[in-house]
Amino acid sequence: DAGITQSPRHKVTETGTPVTLRCHQTENHRYMYWYRQDPGHGLRLIHYSYGVKDTDKGEVSDGYSVSRSKTEDFLLTLESATSSQTSVYFCAISLMEGVNEQFFGPGTRLTVL
Amino acid sequence: ILNVEQSPQSLHVQEGDSTNFTCSFPSSNFYALHWYRWETAKSPEALFVMTLNGDEKKKGRISATLNTKEGYSYLYIKGSQPEDSATYLCAFSNYGGSQGNLIFGKGTKLSVKP
Repeated sequence: DAGITQSPRHKVTETGTPVTLRCHQTENHRYMYWYRQDPGHGLRLIHYSYGVKDTDKGEVSDGYSVSRSKTEDFLLTLESATSSQTSVYFCAISLMEGVNEQFFGPGTRLTVL
Repeated sequence: ILNVEQSPQSLHVQEGDSTNFTCSFPSSNFYALHWYRWETAKSPEALFVMTLNGDEKKKGRISATLNTKEGYSYLYIKGSQPEDSATYLCAFSNYGGSQGNLIFGKGTKLSVKP
């Protein structure tokens, strides 16, 4: 295992509530990513971070924000959850040297009712 | 918009069959092509990374080839076993992509019947 944990692993929430997902790594990798996985879409990049306090948007960033105050933690926040954000969320880490091989966390299943 | 296509979407084979599937990607500004194996209820696991035209990689019964000039990669599984059942993802990165991010295909779901 690449030393990546995600919390919570499962969450059910209601529309309009704020939700924060946490990704924690013990590998000291510089790059961290948040993806969502939906049937028929594969993995889509939400946001990524290339260092502490350095983040950027991915393909499907609307409705999400992120923060990285220390190397080991990357937080994904849904300010006001909607049913369209029901998904499985994966965190990944990378050294981003050369080929950017990414290692994935176990995933968080989020259901927004 | 860069697009990565995988075919077929799904595949059902009998134990012992050999199979292959395709990943197509833009051939311009190619940097690397990744294959991941993704079992249900688990996280994607890296299989191969290839960077050079003509690269071939092998891990046990699974192998992959790369053609960067025409923009495709093949993944082969020889003598499929039920434990090979998974979704196989390919991902592409290019020089021009922001921070070299990976662009994933939708995957090929393989089911191997005993």
